[in-house]
Amino acid sequence: AQSVSQHNHHVILSEAASLELGCNYSYGGTVNLFWYVQYPGQHLQLLLKYFSGDPLVKGIKGFEAEFIKSKFSFNLRKPSVQWSDTAEYFCAVGYNQGGKLIFGQGTELSVKP
Amino acid sequence: GAGVSQSPSNKVTEKGKDVELRCDPISGHTALYWYRQSLGQGLEFLIYFQGNSAPDKSGLPSDRFSAERTGGSVSTLTIQRTQQEDSAVYLCASSRTGGLKKTEAFFGQGTRLTVV
Repeated sequence: AQSVSQHNHHVILSEAASLELGCNYSYGGTVNLFWYVQYPGQHLQLLLKYFSGDPLVKGIKGFEAEFIKSKFSFNLRKPSVQWSDTAEYFCAVGYNQGGKLIFGQGTELSVKP
Repeated sequence: GAGVSQSPSNKVTEKGKDVELRCDPISGHTALYWYRQSLGQGLEFLIYFQGNSAPDKSGLPSDRFSAERTGGSVSTLTIQRTQQEDSAVYLCASSRTGGLKKTEAFFGQGTRLTVV
């Protein structure tokens, strides 16, 4: 079955610390990869996306993610987090076969000022 | 419209009653998705529409849940004989194409359903 797994459920960091959130997905043919963010009280917003080409993609607010095809991974990174990055982060995979968009369980990030 | 619109934003219902949740996707978007977000459970896939047909309804939790889409636009998620475990935020998303081929999904604000 198609599935997406996020390894960290809750991450607590101090401001200026580096961030890496793991995401792995099950094989299902050609995929399109996304990271979404949900700030407290707000709806889901796209952080970044990968369709093809350079496996290192850059998104908004200094976030980036690397697609490693051999590991079925799409990890999210940020060199220096800010308090305003406190939010829940979701990895999502769009499977071309079948058309389904599957989300991971989410990672809650708390950044201490 | 400018974005995905869901109504109502909040719904409190008594156990055993039926509820209808509405989603207005972005104009021209052919794909529409319903998800359920429960505390600590992430986003649970419910159903996916391509146009008016539902190629994948594998995520519907039980036969009390059903969804339809008409005119390739508005979708309604219906929950019959609601139970307390149905309490959650129901999210709708739309995208230009199915399979997210070179496109992204845009989300509505969700409907918070509380079954008492």
